[in-house]
Amino acid sequence: VQFLQSGGGLVQPGGSLRLSCAASGFTFNTYAMTWVRQAPGKGLEWVASISESAVDIAYADSVKGRFTISRDNSKNTIYLQMNSLRVEDTALYYCTKGYWNDAWGQGTLVTVSS
Amino acid sequence: DVVMTQSPLSLSVTLGQPASISCRSSQSQSLVFSDGNTYLHWFQQRPGQSPRRLIYMVSNRDSGVPDRFSGSGSGTDFTLKISRVEADDVGVYYCMQGIYPYTFGQGTKLEIK
Repeated sequence: VQFLQSGGGLVQPGGSLRLSCAASGFTFNTYAMTWVRQAPGKGLEWVASISESAVDIAYADSVKGRFTISRDNSKNTIYLQMNSLRVEDTALYYCTKGYWNDAWGQGTLVTVSS
Repeated sequence: DVVMTQSPLSLSVTLGQPASISCRSSQSQSLVFSDGNTYLHWFQQRPGQSPRRLIYMVSNRDSGVPDRFSGSGSGTDFTLKISRVEADDVGVYYCMQGIYPYTFGQGTKLEIK
């Protein structure tokens, strides 16, 4: 199982970013996928999950209405569209396999700062 | 939301000795889901690495996880045990509950004495 994460970077408060996570090594369209983040020096925080067919989607309250998780099963890729970014969204964002995070990407750093 | 409380928050263990980490859910909220399963999982994060799952659904070891690691518990109280700590076990350990919204414990930092 491998993940290729991209899309992180430095953005000003109020700005937008889109994270991508391309997966390989498993049958992508039979697994839910999840985003988990980790602020610098802090613990883990669940962000969002999406079911195999994208019918079921759930968000943490902290990102609801600002972030959108999606997937393209033809490209074995999930996305996290992040709008109205806040300083407190600064974190390393991990994509993970399944609802229970049985495999993790390397993480992509998002820094929200003026 | 279910708050997961881990204890201790740090642990210093001699090589070859056992270690134990507790994880409790808040307000006596049982983690038994409507399907009868308990979605409580444990993760290890070594320094500078991504987390990896060790134990899923309370007591099932993931592939490649040494049998020195074991999980137990029920309802609201869960435990991760390492029977004999090795140098490779240094890192932070997290529990996570799988009822929306998913939440993690604060993490327990394990170091070698």
